[in-house]
Amino acid sequence: GAVVSQHPSRVICKSGTSVKIECRSLDFQATTMFWYRQFPKQSLMLMATSNEGSKATYEQGVEKDKFLINHASLTLSTLTVTSAHPEDSSFYICSARDAGGSGNQPQHFGDGTRLSIL
Amino acid sequence: DQQVKQNSPSLSVQEGRISILNCDYTNSMFDYFLWYKKYPAEGPTFLISISSIKDKNEDGRFTVFLNKSAKHLSLHIVPSQPGDSAVYFCATIWELTGGGNTLTFGTGTQLKVEL
Repeated sequence: GAVVSQHPSRVICKSGTSVKIECRSLDFQATTMFWYRQFPKQSLMLMATSNEGSKATYEQGVEKDKFLINHASLTLSTLTVTSAHPEDSSFYICSARDAGGSGNQPQHFGDGTRLSIL
Repeated sequence: DQQVKQNSPSLSVQEGRISILNCDYTNSMFDYFLWYKKYPAEGPTFLISISSIKDKNEDGRFTVFLNKSAKHLSLHIVPSQPGDSAVYFCATIWELTGGGNTLTFGTGTQLKVEL
């Protein structure tokens, strides 16, 4: 089945560091990818929609200058957490939907990135 | 405002018995629902879905029931197996302001299947 690869799975770094997370669709093309964030014991919350070849669309309350998204190809989207601080520590997950599928086709998720800022 | 709610944060069931996971939603315009399963340190995996034109969808040990009038859906797992122990999220399709759609998730229910 469809596979979405997310890398790295775990990052621990100092405050002020910028961290890049990659999301790749391995066996399908994804014109749209999604970035979610999950705090402990809470739901997955959509941060932004990544559109291939155009600017990402951010949800209310998400700082676009803080969370830079680039969707340079049909199989790769990146999320860069700039100048990360401890409050950015969270579980970040990407997902993608096959460009050839219908709007109701399930999204396929990466395995997530656990970001810990010291 | 949480539009998809899973009021039970955890559920414990004996192996072989039925697991029933519940989900409520507030917006009657939602018309497609999905269940995802998530293990620790992994992304959610799609399990089963249901369209609002149906009230039941079955796939092997998994059955999803939809009660539109009550704005309630449930996932039944029978028989439950230890490998089913995971967090289960219900989700619905959410129309994005700029076009297209994504998912909005419930808060999840941790299922533990005991031997």
